[in-house]
Amino acid sequence: DAGITQSPRHKVTETGTPVTLRCHQTENHRYMYWYRQDPGHGLRLIHYSYGVKDTDKGEVSDGYSVSRSKTEDFLLTLESATSSQTSVYFCAISEFQGDTEAFFGQGTRLTVV
Amino acid sequence: GQQVMQIPQYQHVQEGEDFTTYCNSSTTLSNIQWYKQRPGGHPVFLIQLVKSGEVKKQKRLTFQFGEAKKNSSLHITATQTTDVGTYFCAGISGGSNYKLTFGKGTLLTVNP
Repeated sequence: DAGITQSPRHKVTETGTPVTLRCHQTENHRYMYWYRQDPGHGLRLIHYSYGVKDTDKGEVSDGYSVSRSKTEDFLLTLESATSSQTSVYFCAISEFQGDTEAFFGQGTRLTVV
Repeated sequence: GQQVMQIPQYQHVQEGEDFTTYCNSSTTLSNIQWYKQRPGGHPVFLIQLVKSGEVKKQKRLTFQFGEAKKNSSLHITATQTTDVGTYFCAGISGGSNYKLTFGKGTLLTVNP
């Protein structure tokens, strides 16, 4: 498996609190992605990064922000968590944008109560 | 925006039966990728198709990319219990934003 680690793996938080999920890679891949997975919706792209400090929005970016200050780390922040953000979050990395395989992390199960 | 539709959503088969999942895009794709996700696991890359009409095989799995590069299929011959999982297609359209758009996936269950 590619060197990609997500933390935490599980988290329960209260509505209205900020939450940060971390994705760490040791592959030195340029591109990093955050997806959320919900039953019946498949994998939906939240944000992605194409380099240090270079990020762009995906299809479901409202309520989320990201930061990438180092090649190896991509952070996803929920500024004020809502119950609709209860989901499984996957980080993915790829060496080139979109035309090579993406390697996924193990996922973070987030529950907002 | 680009949409990738995948059918069926669920498929239950008896071990030894064949299985096919179909993927259709609203736009012409630059390429298409297929992933498998085991229950409780994370998506794992299976294959990428790039050329119009391309067919690739991996043991019992056959992948096809349509001539118009707007549809694709994954066919599994003689399913086994190890094939259980959700199969996703993911497409990329051209332009300045080469983002992978995933279909909703097909959950395959196999009765031994």
